Amino acid sequence: GAVVSQHPSRVICKSGTSVKIECRSLDFQATTMFWYRQFPKQSLMLMATSNEGSKATYEQGVEKDKFLINHASLTLSTLTVTSAHPEDSSFYICSPGRDGPDTQYFGPGTRLTVL
Amino acid sequence: KNEVEQSPQNLTAQEGEFITINCSYSVGISALHWLQQHPGGGIVSLFMLSSGKKKHGRLIATINIQEKHSSLHITASHPRDSAVYICAVSPSYNTDKLIFGTGTRLQVFP
Repeated sequence: GAVVSQHPSRVICKSGTSVKIECRSLDFQATTMFWYRQFPKQSLMLMATSNEGSKATYEQGVEKDKFLINHASLTLSTLTVTSAHPEDSSFYICSPGRDGPDTQYFGPGTRLTVL
Repeated sequence: KNEVEQSPQNLTAQEGEFITINCSYSVGISALHWLQQHPGGGIVSLFMLSSGKKKHGRLIATINIQEKHSSLHITASHPRDSAVYICAVSPSYNTDKLIFGTGTRLQVFP
């Protein structure tokens, strides 16, 4: 089946630094990528939707200048958390747009800890 | 009130028990998903339903569109079933979007 990879799986950084998270769809072309954030013991919340070759659409309350999304190719989307702060510590998950009626794929997630 | 509600929030069971997790939603949907999130965080899609019932191994998922309710059943539960089970819906107003429930944390003891 299709595989979605994320890198890094875990990152610890100092406050004020920027962190880039890569999401790759390995077996199919993803024209759409969804980026989710999950705080401890909470449900996943959609942050933004990226479309290959165009600007991302951000959900209400998500700062587009802080969470930079690039979807330059059909197999790679990146999320950059700029000037990270401790409150940005969370579990970030990407999910390509559905490829068929019975499939919903998710990346393995990136756990970000900002000190 | 969340658009997707799950119950129970936490569930413990002895190995072999029959388990039911419930999901209710308040929006019109095009599909409902049951997902499994492992302790490390990885999420696996179990089912996608738009009507009726689906079965895969020891897992059964049902949906009642009129009542806006779905259930996930696990027969002959096993410790390896321990995970967080998440219900998510694709709303009719935006079929690409997913709205997630808060999840049900299941622990199955040997």
